[in-house]
Amino acid sequence: QKEVEQDPGPLSVPEGAIVSLNCTYSNSAFQYFMWYRQYSRKGPELLMYTYSSGNKEDGRFTAQVDKSSKYISLFIRDSQPSDSATYLCAKPTFDGGATNKLIFGTGTLLAVQP
Amino acid sequence: DTEVTQTPKHLVMGMTNKKSLKCEQHMGHRAMYWYKQKAKKPPELMFVYSYEKLSINESVPSRFSPECPNSSLLNLHLHALQPEDSALYLCASSQDGQGADIQYFGAGTRLSVL
Repeated sequence: QKEVEQDPGPLSVPEGAIVSLNCTYSNSAFQYFMWYRQYSRKGPELLMYTYSSGNKEDGRFTAQVDKSSKYISLFIRDSQPSDSATYLCAKPTFDGGATNKLIFGTGTLLAVQP
Repeated sequence: DTEVTQTPKHLVMGMTNKKSLKCEQHMGHRAMYWYKQKAKKPPELMFVYSYEKLSINESVPSRFSPECPNSSLLNLHLHALQPEDSALYLCASSQDGQGADIQYFGAGTRLSVL
């Protein structure tokens, strides 16, 4: 089992729809989570990070964490064509070395149709 | 400011060439990372420097040679690459690579090996 698994997509929605992007994780150490947005041929851009169970909102974006089921989600309200990108969930892991490693999900490609 | 600057943006090189990728950050971060990303895949960790010392080498071939001249700069020296090394090379930085540490990425260098 991979340490972080992500619904692969692709996902196509009409403009204005609510989008739900989902990941699960297996290792309970270092329970903080990041969502990155990556436009085509660009580097990943940090969208949100969260440490706690429950919801964290930032504008049209909500990150949700359920530690009991090891499930994380990103919701996008009123989706726009400019939201079309690949969304990567990520979580740190530690294998006994000097620094943490970031484990990424496989990414979900989202297309918002005008 | 959460900017990580990578140069060049694009690089084409032959298999016998020697070239270098450069990365710079001025956020006072003490951990810096190199990742390789192939199309439609998440970033794969290559190297981590923490406090200017190499702390993680993910069994990367010796034709890739990292260097951290100071806490703000990270280089990746390339020699005798193979066509399969063509990819997007991403640099990232974080506070210190410990605990609840957030990584910020540059825009990447798109490398083509002919």
